[in-house]
Amino acid sequence: DAKTTQPPSMDCAEGRAANLPCNHSTISGNEYVYWYRQIHSQGPQYIIHGLKNNETNEMASLIITEDRKSSTLILPHATLRDTAVYYCIATGGFKTIFGAGTRLFVKA
Amino acid sequence: KAGVTQTPRYLIKTRGQQVTLSCSPISGHRSVSWYQQTPGQGLQFLFEYFSETQRNKGNFPGRFSGRQFSNSRSEMNVSTLELGDSALYLCASSGAPGLAALEQYFGPGTRLTVT
Repeated sequence: DAKTTQPPSMDCAEGRAANLPCNHSTISGNEYVYWYRQIHSQGPQYIIHGLKNNETNEMASLIITEDRKSSTLILPHATLRDTAVYYCIATGGFKTIFGAGTRLFVKA
Repeated sequence: KAGVTQTPRYLIKTRGQQVTLSCSPISGHRSVSWYQQTPGQGLQFLFEYFSETQRNKGNFPGRFSGRQFSNSRSEMNVSTLELGDSALYLCASSGAPGLAALEQYFGPGTRLTVT
């Protein structure tokens, strides 16, 4: 599984878009990018995943660069409830290896 | 559809004892994974079961074991508890093996405290 690098923390104003970057420069062709988040004291929550095309669902958008070495998770209108640790995972296997993630603080 | 349930939610044990944690996956899900979360080590993969077979295992000592039943419910057992085993133990279920198993749905966890 490819190693991912994320900033340890980020701030975002409520109502604005939150753009969370992830670097996965060693990703191989068959590895997907997955995003999860963990709100304090709860289990992680699946958000979205993609291979090479941009993806969007009701929670977020995932933008993957053409060379697939990095990606950005976009929360279009962040709310206070989006304050959480966001994990980016690059994997083609059966394991989900979580790194340290990015702690997103959404401020009023 | 009911989510992943874990029992008990909180547990206090003494060093040297053993503990069994239970996980009931989402109905229809056949893959169950277990994770340990501590402030120092973060979320670490323990093992994954699919159709009663362990398919993957993380880097944990043999004191950590698990099993899955024919109804997909899973248990994990930790024997000879150590203080360092104090953690939040999370169970996640998925509808299929392989890549689809990475779209996991987590339970609320069991908070284990070893004294």
